[in-house]
Amino acid sequence: DIVMTQSPLSLPVTPGEPASISCRSSQSLLHSNGYNYLDWYLQKPGQSPHLLIYLGSNRASGVPDRFSGGGSGTDFTLKISRVEAEDVGVYFCMQGLQTPITFGQGTRLDIK
Amino acid sequence: EVQLVESGGGLVKPGGSLRLSCAASGFIFSDAWMSWVRQAPGKGLEWVGRIKSKTDGGTTDYAAPVKGRFTISRDDSKNTLYLQMNSLKTEDAAVYYCTTDTTQGSDWGQGTLVTVSS
Repeated sequence: DIVMTQSPLSLPVTPGEPASISCRSSQSLLHSNGYNYLDWYLQKPGQSPHLLIYLGSNRASGVPDRFSGGGSGTDFTLKISRVEAEDVGVYFCMQGLQTPITFGQGTRLDIK
Repeated sequence: EVQLVESGGGLVKPGGSLRLSCAASGFIFSDAWMSWVRQAPGKGLEWVGRIKSKTDGGTTDYAAPVKGRFTISRDDSKNTLYLQMNSLKTEDAAVYYCTTDTTQGSDWGQGTLVTVSS
């Protein structure tokens, strides 16, 4: 199974400041088609997860452009250029390259 | 707009069975691969299993902890996904989410809570 490791697990951020979350996989997520099968999701308090970034770096429809995803192979990063109060919640990375599909442990973002 | 509405959760005794349903709308369900993902209270996300579209064979894959006990099926005429859970254990207690399974990421339902307790 591909193990997904996120850091940090807790991230207090001042509004307006940037934030960055790392996700590392135990195997490369780069498919032969050139895409990295890595998604990012945000689970706001009391809600189900929703998609932020797919295939490593593509913002989902309706996601603000302050969110960006990057990386390739085994190292990926989710960046928020300027954190807003509505960004609080738990961020998960997920690999979809092979089953079993696996998730990172989650990073809890709080506002300072 | 994609909508996924799970139902069928509830309280069941260890060793019991439960069938979850997921009503889908807003996309061509018969073309979609679908998954179930669960989240134990206060914990992270755990993939349960997937079913491919019939066009792609309609085959299923399962996570090791549920293989042999859980069965995913679909009724494309009803735009509905199912999860049959047998021989339930206390560690199966979780919110169960139905998700689409695409290379462009997944849409999620609101989840249905399964409690396993005597």
